[in-house]
Amino acid sequence: SQQGEEDPQALSIQEGENATMNCSYKTSINNLQWYRQNSGRGLVHLILIRSNEREKHSGRLRVTLDTSKKSSSLLITASRAADTASYFCATGPVGGGNKLTFGTGTQLKVEL
Amino acid sequence: GAVVSQHPSWVICKSGTSVKIECRSLDFQATTMFWYRQFPKQSLMLMATSNEGSKATYEQGVEKDKFLINHASLTLSTLTVTSAHPEDSSFYICSAVRRNSYNEQFFGPGTRLTVL
Repeated sequence: SQQGEEDPQALSIQEGENATMNCSYKTSINNLQWYRQNSGRGLVHLILIRSNEREKHSGRLRVTLDTSKKSSSLLITASRAADTASYFCATGPVGGGNKLTFGTGTQLKVEL
Repeated sequence: GAVVSQHPSWVICKSGTSVKIECRSLDFQATTMFWYRQFPKQSLMLMATSNEGSKATYEQGVEKDKFLINHASLTLSTLTVTSAHPEDSSFYICSAVRRNSYNEQFFGPGTRLTVL
């Protein structure tokens, strides 16, 4: 079953604006990861945040994790048309090894 | 590094035939490989976990006799869709976990299967 729910399901913004996507999950986790998928392609790993971390940065990406609310957010700053893709959160359960459960995804469209 | 390939990238077959999809880790040894299925505009659904030298672990609702998984080596796993039917048409994606990597899965580019 799907663990993560993401919102919004779809997001359309102008180039240069920031994009924020949210992910909520139900059970305790070991880590949470964000992936990007271009249409009809495989997934690209963006960032991993561990359950004892609250915030992580990587380039224009900022991820936060609130384990008390069982939620995470992905912020893409100064978006570009090339950021157009689907973004998925995925959770790694406590004691669950490498298994991931993916969220429903957010389709981001960045327009020129 | 950490490149995963899939072959073929797309395949069209007739109903009733079997199709084999390969997943290879090109520059690392994969302790575990995962097979996912994705329908259009939907998320990835884990089908099975494949460990080298042992039987695959299937998720609930996934028919193991329908989706045969063989993890022949630390760099190769195969998924065979047996007696494929139109409802098996989907995007199949594999991922591999690199030895000593912390939970990070490296994904293949996916295989588009269309069953006529």
